[in-house]
Amino acid sequence: GDSVTQMEGPVTLSEEAFLTINCTYTATGYPSLFWYVQYPGEGLQLLLKATKADDKGSNKGFEATYRKETTSFHLEKGSVQVSDSAVYFCALVLSYNTDKLIFGTGTRLQVFP
Amino acid sequence: GAVVSQHPSRVICKSGTSVKIECRSLDFQATTMFWYRQFPKKSLMLMATSNEGSKATYEQGVEKDKFLINHASLTLSTLTVTSAHPEDSSFYICSARDSSSTDTQYFGPGTRLTVL
Repeated sequence: GDSVTQMEGPVTLSEEAFLTINCTYTATGYPSLFWYVQYPGEGLQLLLKATKADDKGSNKGFEATYRKETTSFHLEKGSVQVSDSAVYFCALVLSYNTDKLIFGTGTRLQVFP
Repeated sequence: GAVVSQHPSRVICKSGTSVKIECRSLDFQATTMFWYRQFPKKSLMLMATSNEGSKATYEQGVEKDKFLINHASLTLSTLTVTSAHPEDSSFYICSARDSSSTDTQYFGPGTRLTVL
């Protein structure tokens, strides 16, 4: 069935380090792909999205490219900050059912000064 | 930005009692709201989709008589866990879609339910 797989965390980095959080998906058709972020005590917030192959979503220094050939949507940031510490969720929406977000398990990022 | 609140943020109840969780869109109207459940170290699972003024649509495997959903206004949806049991203990999260948007859901902070 349709699913999203994320790398297990926590990911622990020093400030200004490079970040990659891997995400791969299995889906029928042509899904839209999302990254959500959840800061401590808050709800999930949309970080970025891509709706078709080769699209690049970007926001707040984070980027992810929709790779259809590898069914991946890896999240990257060149230089992380302590304030980026949060849980990151990869998700997809199927083209024929845009109501249903299918989430990965989430990856906790901890950034230390 | 669009804000969604949930109340209460955490609740502890005895087995056999019912618990109601509220989800409100504070600064926009939400024709559609969603209820998710999150188990420890697992992803969010969609439980049901509720549309204002109509019956909720439940995902496969979710008991509609167990999890009662009401969406009586454009800013409020409620989830009632009836006759709660310890296995219902979980983190429940709602989201709301702005009536003017096609695919962006705004999430509440979640409610931690513990059934003793």
